Amino acid sequence: QSVLTQPPSVSAAPGQKVSISCSGSSSNIANNYIGWYQQLPGTAPKLLIYDTNKRPSGIPDRFSGSKSGTTATLGITGLQTGDEADYYCETWDSSLGAWVFGGGTKVTVL
Amino acid sequence: QVQLQESGPGLVKPSQTLSLTCTVSGGSISSGNHYWTWIRQSAGMGLEWIGRIYASGSTSGRTDYHPSLKSRVAMSLDTSKNQFTLSLTSVTATDTAIYYCARAGNWGREWYLDLWGRGTLVSVSS
Repeated sequence: QSVLTQPPSVSAAPGQKVSISCSGSSSNIANNYIGWYQQLPGTAPKLLIYDTNKRPSGIPDRFSGSKSGTTATLGITGLQTGDEADYYCETWDSSLGAWVFGGGTKVTVL
Repeated sequence: QVQLQESGPGLVKPSQTLSLTCTVSGGSISSGNHYWTWIRQSAGMGLEWIGRIYASGSTSGRTDYHPSLKSRVAMSLDTSKNQFTLSLTSVTATDTAIYYCARAGNWGREWYLDLWGRGTLVSVSS
């Protein structure tokens, strides 16, 4: 079981919006910055969001990140078929002294 | 362009040692401000951070390991070959996973995994 909790799956029609939650605790999400990764089928994960709400160069602004308390959220607007992938949240856990990941959320475009 | 490539046996017997190498091409492992890391992904556990090793300056060779694996893990550097390695002892079937090597860069306030290898599947079975 993962330290960070994500819903197993979310889905929406093309053009719609999805939100993916990532729930943790005071030792991880509440007091540290969050990263989000996108893993397309059969490939390695790719950095999507860093420092909770910043996007690396080349990542479209359809992807956004936020945090409130012990929950981080990834938002994807204008959903496209190419967005079908698994999404993982990640942060440092100060109690464990380890990077920790969420269990991953599969996004399906209906 | 920097690339990472994992290599090593795809099958390891229970109780034996899993050994993997990550070769860094297109750039020096010792330059820049990076942690070199190992991550694994299994069907039941999702992504799991195994550990990281620093390769620059006076703290070159410094390691951090996941506490649940710390007693069985060792990472090392071979700067002459531009490689870093993973050793995991006393493996069991639960260590079966895709193993990724990755680079962590300092982005803003924290470290993030900004470059990944393709991954290599390691199965533990007799």
